[in-house]
Amino acid sequence: DAGVIQSPRHEVTEMGQEVTLRCKPISGHNSLFWYRQTMMRGLELLIYFNNNVPIDDSGMPEDRFSAKMPNASFSTLKIQPSEPRDSAVYFCASSDRLSSYNSPLHFGNGTRLTVT
Amino acid sequence: DQQVKQNSPSLSVQEGRISILNCDYTNSMFDYFLWYKKYPAEGPTFLISISSIKDKNEDGRFTVFLNKSAKHLSLHIVPSQPGDSAVYFCAARAISSGSARQLTFGSGTQLTVLP
Repeated sequence: DAGVIQSPRHEVTEMGQEVTLRCKPISGHNSLFWYRQTMMRGLELLIYFNNNVPIDDSGMPEDRFSAKMPNASFSTLKIQPSEPRDSAVYFCASSDRLSSYNSPLHFGNGTRLTVT
Repeated sequence: DQQVKQNSPSLSVQEGRISILNCDYTNSMFDYFLWYKKYPAEGPTFLISISSIKDKNEDGRFTVFLNKSAKHLSLHIVPSQPGDSAVYFCAARAISSGSARQLTFGSGTQLTVLP
């Protein structure tokens, strides 16, 4: 059973460059979430989608961040231009909205982003 | 403004003893609480949860206690094992938030179980 798949696992880039993080949710899950983990703030929700539609993007830090979900099996989180303060681990998670309201999120293994 | 707080960034416990991880919250609209466990280089994995209509939920070595009046929950692990060494995140969900799937996470507690 494939879980949530994220790529790349590690990304090192220079300030000002565009970064694209990718996520494949669990098949059949129709809610997808992007989280960011930092030492200072822990796990923060950036944006989430239901049925490919962005529902709440209030956690997106600024206009440099954008996320898309063109279909049920793929999502991207883009940072353009990247800055050193964007360095963090970015997690994608999915859940099955059709099951219990209280079904837990399933997380991918994250992308560790370093912006120099 | 952190709505879910884990005030202890780290905890060390001897193998076989009880580990108690604590979590406080401020939003009285939270009605469902979860604990996630995270190993290095992996994503968080769901461990145990509790609804606000209960004050205790037990699953094997793991028990979660909820004190709604104090807005406090705790995770007890007994007996603790070296394999339990991980970061533990407390999370909460408010059904009235308009986005029923949103989880608010604490900053995590690193548990180290010493052999």
